[in-house]
Amino acid sequence: EPEVTQTPSHQVTQMGQEVILRCVPISNHLYFYWYRQILGQKVEFLVSFYNNEISEKSEIFDDQFSVERPDGSNFTLKIRSTKLEDSAMYFCASRIAATPYNEQFFGPGTRLTVL
Amino acid sequence: GIQVEQSPPDLILQEGANSTLRCNFSDSVNNLQWFHQNPWGQLINLFYIPSGTKQNGRLSATTVATERYSLLYISSSQTTDSGVYFCAVERSGGGADGLTFGKGTHLIIQP
Repeated sequence: EPEVTQTPSHQVTQMGQEVILRCVPISNHLYFYWYRQILGQKVEFLVSFYNNEISEKSEIFDDQFSVERPDGSNFTLKIRSTKLEDSAMYFCASRIAATPYNEQFFGPGTRLTVL
Repeated sequence: GIQVEQSPPDLILQEGANSTLRCNFSDSVNNLQWFHQNPWGQLINLFYIPSGTKQNGRLSATTVATERYSLLYISSSQTTDSGVYFCAVERSGGGADGLTFGKGTHLIIQP
């Protein structure tokens, strides 16, 4: 069964460093998402991406974040200058279409620790 | 934005017991999903259920969209059912909006 994959599973970085989190969505899916979950809290939407551009973004997704689909398979989230509060689990998700509505499929997550 | 409230926040049961988890939401939705977050932090998709009833083994779910709530039933609980259960919704007309998650129900099944 097709699945969303994410790399790395764990990433440790120093404050101020740039990190890139990678995701491979399901191959025929058209909509891509990033979510964040700070330890012990609920999952929060960051950004959605369709047709090579951002569709929606939350207040969390400020100028230090960017997303890119550099090729036909990968979808990346870049954090330019990491802060301690960026420590969280980051989930990638994809869906085949937005209309008709259907489910989003989530990857296993990347646990980011900023020291 | 849309509000999602889950209850109870915590639930401790003995193995073999049945449980009902509730999700209330504040607006019309086109997408509702239930997830189980396992001890490794992975979100396991349990149900995609914007309306109606579905069953998968010991788990079933019902969404009454007109009354803006969904229920997740777990029967004959096992210790492996422990974890956090999240309800997540996507508002109607949202297009590419992301899911809005509730705070979850933390379920502990004791042997």
